[in-house]
Amino acid sequence: ETGVTQTPRHLVMGMTNKKSLKCEQHLGHNAMYWYKQSAKKPLELMFVYSLEERVENNSVPSRFSPECPNSSHLFLHLHTLQPEDSALYLCASSPGTEVGETQYFGPGTRLLVL
Amino acid sequence: LAKTTQPISMDSYEGQEVNITCSHNNIATNDYITWYQQFPSQGPRFIIQGYKTKVTNEVASLFIPADRKSSTLSLPRVSLSDTAVYYCLVVGAPYSSASKIIFGSGTRLSIRP
Repeated sequence: ETGVTQTPRHLVMGMTNKKSLKCEQHLGHNAMYWYKQSAKKPLELMFVYSLEERVENNSVPSRFSPECPNSSHLFLHLHTLQPEDSALYLCASSPGTEVGETQYFGPGTRLLVL
Repeated sequence: LAKTTQPISMDSYEGQEVNITCSHNNIATNDYITWYQQFPSQGPRFIIQGYKTKVTNEVASLFIPADRKSSTLSLPRVSLSDTAVYYCLVVGAPYSSASKIIFGSGTRLSIRP
């Protein structure tokens, strides 16, 4: 499925690096989400955007900074990460302007922080 | 907030019907029940959604009793490729708060030959 794409698929970074994760949805959806999935843990919702405005930020550390320039693109800027931030980062989108509708997920970015 | 409870894991064999039950005792009037499937190192994939009684699509059936305090995902004649983690979510409409989007630990389903 190519409805929601994420790049890069794999990323290794040091704690002092700055990197960005990119998500693009080709479904014409209005809401986009960032999730974190650590090993053997449930998915944790990080950020939600609806019509390019941030709807919710679930107490995420400031070293994670989201950006939504338009309804098709979502970025997650990373800086001074910690090893415990190593996880699978998933992007999703949903059709309407209300969050929580059926979500379509991308393949994820596997992040390793050394 | 309608918390969900699912079995941590289940095992079955190819060709069998698998039923995964989810408890959601505090479900609200406006809440819908949604199931997702996740394979390793992939994002979850929507399977089915329902409000009450029975919903069926080409992949699965969802049974919801009258009190809506539980739901059962039914996978007919499973194959090895159905080995995955299955998540039950309860999300209210209008979908007013992202804080209600809780995936939980899911049920790890293993299918054997």
